Amino acid sequence: DTGVSQDPRHKITKRGQNVTFRCDPISEHNRLYWYRQTLGQGPEFLTYFQNEAQLEKSRLLSDRFSAERPKGSFSTLEIQRTEQGDSAMYLCASSLASLDTQYFGPGTRLTVL
Amino acid sequence: DAKTTQPTSMDCAEGRAANLPCNHSTISGNEYVYWYRQIHSQGPQYIIHGLKNNETNEMASLIITEDRKSSTLILPHATLRDTAVYYCIVRVAQGAQKLVFGQGTRLTINP
Repeated sequence: DTGVSQDPRHKITKRGQNVTFRCDPISEHNRLYWYRQTLGQGPEFLTYFQNEAQLEKSRLLSDRFSAERPKGSFSTLEIQRTEQGDSAMYLCASSLASLDTQYFGPGTRLTVL
Repeated sequence: DAKTTQPTSMDCAEGRAANLPCNHSTISGNEYVYWYRQIHSQGPQYIIHGLKNNETNEMASLIITEDRKSSTLILPHATLRDTAVYYCIVRVAQGAQKLVFGQGTRLTINP
């Protein structure tokens, strides 16, 4: 069991550019969560998938954000037209439906210049 | 909003037991207490969870009061690597429930 992995670990981009992050959950985990964490704060929920279905989205997930999990395995989170306020750590977690303890990946740190 | 209250920071000497308190006075009967920790610049790490009985695993022990309104996470022999922010979270275990993180307790282990 290799744990949740995220790629890239760090991303620096200029304001207005699009970025995409990838999350690979623990094998056989059918639930996948995205969170965002800004400096000094705890993680905040963004969205959640059960298999390929996106079942809940936070109000934090503006129109510029989109997440997919096309085959119910890995997931991508895309941010279009990035703003400086998007600078944060983006965390992915996965869980097995029957137990639902969420296990987190190492995160992707985004810096928007 | 987070349903828990934790001290902002705590210190503990290396080798001693670290006891981290958490108040959750509005906890419902079907809500569990979960603990995670986050070492600087890493993702949160699951530690332990419980409903009403005390729980122990290889990382820590969780003591929940009889009225379930508070709990204590115990790291029996703290090491420098236990320095982290510790989050206490209450949630329903079954069903897809997002984790609602508060500010947590910043625990510093001193040599």
